[in-house]
Amino acid sequence: AQSVTQPDIHITVSEGASLELRCNYSYGATPYLFWYVQSPGQGLQLLLKYFSGDTLVQGIKGFEAEFKRSQSSFNLRKPSVHWSDAAEYFCAVGPPPFGNEKLTFGTGTRLTIIP
Amino acid sequence: GAVVSQHPSRVICKSGTSVKIECRSLDFQATTMFWYRQFPKQSLMLMATSNEGSKATYEQGVEKDKFLINHASLTLSTLTVTSAHPEDSSFYICSAKGLFQYQETQYFGPGTRLLVL
Repeated sequence: AQSVTQPDIHITVSEGASLELRCNYSYGATPYLFWYVQSPGQGLQLLLKYFSGDTLVQGIKGFEAEFKRSQSSFNLRKPSVHWSDAAEYFCAVGPPPFGNEKLTFGTGTRLTIIP
Repeated sequence: GAVVSQHPSRVICKSGTSVKIECRSLDFQATTMFWYRQFPKQSLMLMATSNEGSKATYEQGVEKDKFLINHASLTLSTLTVTSAHPEDSSFYICSAKGLFQYQETQYFGPGTRLLVL
């Protein structure tokens, strides 16, 4: 069975500091990986996705993520956070996205930014 | 592109009444739509998957007679919570996929907050 673990429930960083959000997955085949961001009371916005190729993926809002197959990880990073980055971040894994694939989401990491 | 809307954004209803939530793909044809439920400070739980013109496929433990899903067109899916009770209060989020460039990712709506009194 597939699963996603986000070990950090809540992270607080200072504005301008670097950020890394951890994501580990368990999947029986080639994983397709996603990071979504959710602002309070809002739906999910796709930050980036990895299907194949270069293991360092660039996304929107200055985010990037690195796929490490040997560690079953897909950590999200940003060199310098902004106050507007405060939100809930979800990592998700799924099968090839060409059908009725079901995404499995992690439990999320809440990011707080302090001035 | 790839905008998904939901209506209403929030609804309050009395226990025993039914509530309909709409999910629309505004700029692409959604061949598949997903309905999720999210409890406070928790992750998304998939409730059902629907393909346009077909019956929805419900996840284990989700009552299909309580959560009626209709995907009658390529731009609209509806979720009807029948005989709602306070335990149905939650945040309901839909997502949609389409063809070609819209088939690689699920595009999420902004969610609907349901409060049953």
